[in-house]
Amino acid sequence: LAKTTQPISMDSYEGQEVNITCSHNNIATNDYITWYQQFPSQGPRFIIQGYKTKVTNEVASLFIPADRKSSTLSLPRVSLSDTAVYYCLVGPSGAGSYQLTFGKGTKLSVIP
Amino acid sequence: AAGVIQSPRHLIKEKRETATLKCYPIPRHDTVYWYQQGPGQDPQFLISFYEKMQSDKGSIPDRFSAQQFSDYHSELNMSSLELGDSALYFCASRSRDRSTYEQYFGPGTRLTVT
Repeated sequence: LAKTTQPISMDSYEGQEVNITCSHNNIATNDYITWYQQFPSQGPRFIIQGYKTKVTNEVASLFIPADRKSSTLSLPRVSLSDTAVYYCLVGPSGAGSYQLTFGKGTKLSVIP
Repeated sequence: AAGVIQSPRHLIKEKRETATLKCYPIPRHDTVYWYQQGPGQDPQFLISFYEKMQSDKGSIPDRFSAQQFSDYHSELNMSSLELGDSALYFCASRSRDRSTYEQYFGPGTRLTVT
């Protein structure tokens, strides 16, 4: 599985847009990029997944450049409730178990 | 919507005792995963089951075993507990629909070994 690197922590004020960038230089052709959010003492929660270009859902956008060696999770207008750890994961697609390999996530602190 | 159910939510055991954690996946989910998250650490994959068969194994100690039953629920059995086994144990499940890779996590079982 491709290794990921993301900032250890980030601070943001309420109402701002937050962009968290993840590096995955050795991503494989069949790998997808997935982001999970985890609140303290809770299980991780799926946010968004993409393969290339841009993916958007009701909570976030994911930007993936053409070389796919990095990706950026964009959270629009964050609120205090977005304070959490955000994990970037890269893994193969297709059938099978495909367990998640969590690296060091980014601890986002939203300040009032 | 139904979620992953884990029981018990909290468990206190002494060293060298045994513990059994249970996981009930979302209906129509056929794959179950177990993860361990120590204090201040990131979740680590332990083991997974697909259609009641073990499919992948991670950093699961030999003292631990798990299985998935005919109703798709899973149990993680832990023996000869050590202080270092104190952690949050999450179960996650994945849909039979292979167009998505999303895993749904349960609330976790907090195991404290004293």
